[in-house]
Amino acid sequence: AQKITQTQPGMFVQEKEAVTLDCTYDTSDPSYGLFWYKQPSSGEMIFLIYQGSYDQQNATEGRYSLNFQKARKSANLVISASQLGDSAMYFCAMRGGQGGKLIFGQGTELSVKP
Amino acid sequence: DADVTQTPRNRITKTGKRIMLECSQTKGHDRMYWYRQDPGLGLQLIYYSFDVKDINKGEISDGYSVSRQAQAKFSLSLESAIPNQTALYFCATSDGQGYTQYFGPGTRLTVL
Repeated sequence: AQKITQTQPGMFVQEKEAVTLDCTYDTSDPSYGLFWYKQPSSGEMIFLIYQGSYDQQNATEGRYSLNFQKARKSANLVISASQLGDSAMYFCAMRGGQGGKLIFGQGTELSVKP
Repeated sequence: DADVTQTPRNRITKTGKRIMLECSQTKGHDRMYWYRQDPGLGLQLIYYSFDVKDINKGEISDGYSVSRQAQAKFSLSLESAIPNQTALYFCATSDGQGYTQYFGPGTRLTVL
């Protein structure tokens, strides 16, 4: 069965520091995609970054990077130079199963301290 | 203007009532999805559609129905709402199975 696991229910980080949010996945499909979404308190789901299973390099989008370790089945999100506006829930998701649906983890609540 | 819009944004209804949530998109995507998020949890798939004539059940479709009126419109109906359908509902679109899904702002539904 396909599964996403986020083991950190909540995390704190000091403003301007880097933070890593953990995500491990389980799938038997050779082709898959991994996503990170941000959900602020207002509720919307904001796409941050994508990593394909065949991508040779780690994905980067501005201050976001994805530390993809295929053998370990991990896809951790690294946020550099944290900002107060980064405080939110962060969800790791994997594309798989029915119609390309996204399978979500439980989320990590990140709080950035001034 | 937002690429994916949902109406209403908030709705309070009573047990047994029929309710429709609407989703429209201007991204030109073929694929549309309805997800549900319960408090403190990730999202679960209710229904998805590859085009107007192709609609499929997701993992939690019981108690829900959908209509794809056009490429740009995908509606979710609760035929007879019950309290445990209280949740945040998201519509999403993508340009194919391998592509990123983009979400609407969500509809917060409360069933009393």
